[in-house]
Amino acid sequence: GQNIDQPTEMTATEGAIVQINCTYQTSGFNGLFWYQQHAGEAPTFLSYNVLDGLEEKGRFSSFLSRSKGYSYLLLKELQMKDSASYLCAVRTSNDYKLSFGAGTTVTVRA
Amino acid sequence: GAGVSQSPSNKVTEKGKDVELRCDPISGHTALYWYRQRLGQGLEFLIYFQGNSAPDKSGLPSDRFSAERTGESVSTLTIQRTQQEDSAVYLCASSQRQNSNQPQHFGDGTRLSIL
Repeated sequence: GQNIDQPTEMTATEGAIVQINCTYQTSGFNGLFWYQQHAGEAPTFLSYNVLDGLEEKGRFSSFLSRSKGYSYLLLKELQMKDSASYLCAVRTSNDYKLSFGAGTTVTVRA
Repeated sequence: GAGVSQSPSNKVTEKGKDVELRCDPISGHTALYWYRQRLGQGLEFLIYFQGNSAPDKSGLPSDRFSAERTGESVSTLTIQRTQQEDSAVYLCASSQRQNSNQPQHFGDGTRLSIL
C-alpha cells in the first residue's frame, strides 16, 4: 500500500508563515498534489510538483525532494481565510488515482 | 456547469436501505473518480472511469458498492443494504485526462449518514 504522512494539526498567527510537511513511501512516483479543503466544502487544487524544487504561486509555495520522499507546502502572510485542511496527495507511476494523506488542519489566530 | 456537481448534498437513511448518489462532471472531462472521506481520515479511492474503457473498481470496499457512468457524463454510485460504517462524505472528481499534470476537480460531496 501507499503511506503518506502529514501532521494532524498546526496553529499559526495571522501574518505569519506556516510550513506543512508531507512524507511519502509509495510504489513509484508520478507527481504530488496539494489541495485545500474548507470544512464542508470540496477540496480545491493548490499546487503540483513532479520535479525536485520549489514551485511558487503567490502566497503559497510547494517543494519536492523525490530522493527523500518529502514535500512541503509553505503558506506566507497567513490570513484568517487560510484556516482549512491541507491535503497531500501522491500519484504513483502507471497509476491515475491519487493516494491522500489524512490532511493537516491549519488554524490561523488573530 | 462550471464545476463538478453532486447530489444530494446530504442524505440520511436507515440501515439496510439502498442509496444512490449522483455526480455530474465538468463538461469535456473524460476521467471521473469517486472517493470516500470518513471523519478525520484521508480520501479513500473507490472507482475510476475513463472514457469508454472498463472502470477500475479496485477501491470498492464490498460488493454492496457499485457505480455506473453514461458515456463521458453523469455517474451514479449505488450502495445497497447500507451499514453504519458507510457513513461518510462521498466525493466525486473529474479531470481532463489521466496520466497528466491536470488536477482532479472535486465536487462538494454527498454527506451520507446511516442511522
